[in-house]
Amino acid sequence: DIVMTQSPTSMSISVGDRVTMNCKASQNVGSNVDWYQQKTGQSPKLLIYKASNRYTGVPDRFTGSGSGTDFTFTISNMQAEDLAVYYCMQSNSYPPWTFGGGTKLELK
Amino acid sequence: EVQLVESGGGLVQPGRSLKLSCVASGFTFSNYGMNWIRQAPGKGLEWVAYISSGSSYIYYAETVKGRFTISRDNAKNTLYLQMTSLRSEDTALYYCARRKGPGYFDYWGQGVMVTVSS
Repeated sequence: DIVMTQSPTSMSISVGDRVTMNCKASQNVGSNVDWYQQKTGQSPKLLIYKASNRYTGVPDRFTGSGSGTDFTFTISNMQAEDLAVYYCMQSNSYPPWTFGGGTKLELK
Repeated sequence: EVQLVESGGGLVQPGRSLKLSCVASGFTFSNYGMNWIRQAPGKGLEWVAYISSGSSYIYYAETVKGRFTISRDNAKNTLYLQMTSLRSEDTALYYCARRKGPGYFDYWGQGVMVTVSS
């Protein structure tokens, strides 16, 4: 199975910050990485698919990049409403689809 | 509007069974593969099972293989997860999610809680 390792596990941030988090796959997954946002008490929501494609209705402050084994997710101008846990997931080699452990964004 | 509504969760003793349902609306259910994904309290996401649109392809996580059965009734727009031989480690919030395109999950239900405890 492909292991997805996210870093950092948590970040203390301020509104307006540029936030960058990483996801590393244990083997080449091409561009088949998706990013999900999960706010407290809510179900996950798709933000980015195939590494860099913004899903319908997702603000352009959210961007994804990378290929192969190394992927990056960036929020360019952090908003309070963006406080959440962010998960990467590989959809290249399945089953199983595998998620990273998540990166939690908290207010400084 | 796409909606996925799970039901059937609850408190169950170890070794017993439970069947979850997920009713879909707002899209042509029979055109999409569907998944169950779970989240243990305070933990991350774990994919559990997948069924293709016509039930031809079915996959399970190793942690549930042989104990859980995914199925669907396209006439009723409903996805199921039959869970048997439940263990404490199956305690989680179970989400159904629609598979879109080559692999990603574009819509998720609100989740249903399953607690396995004596």
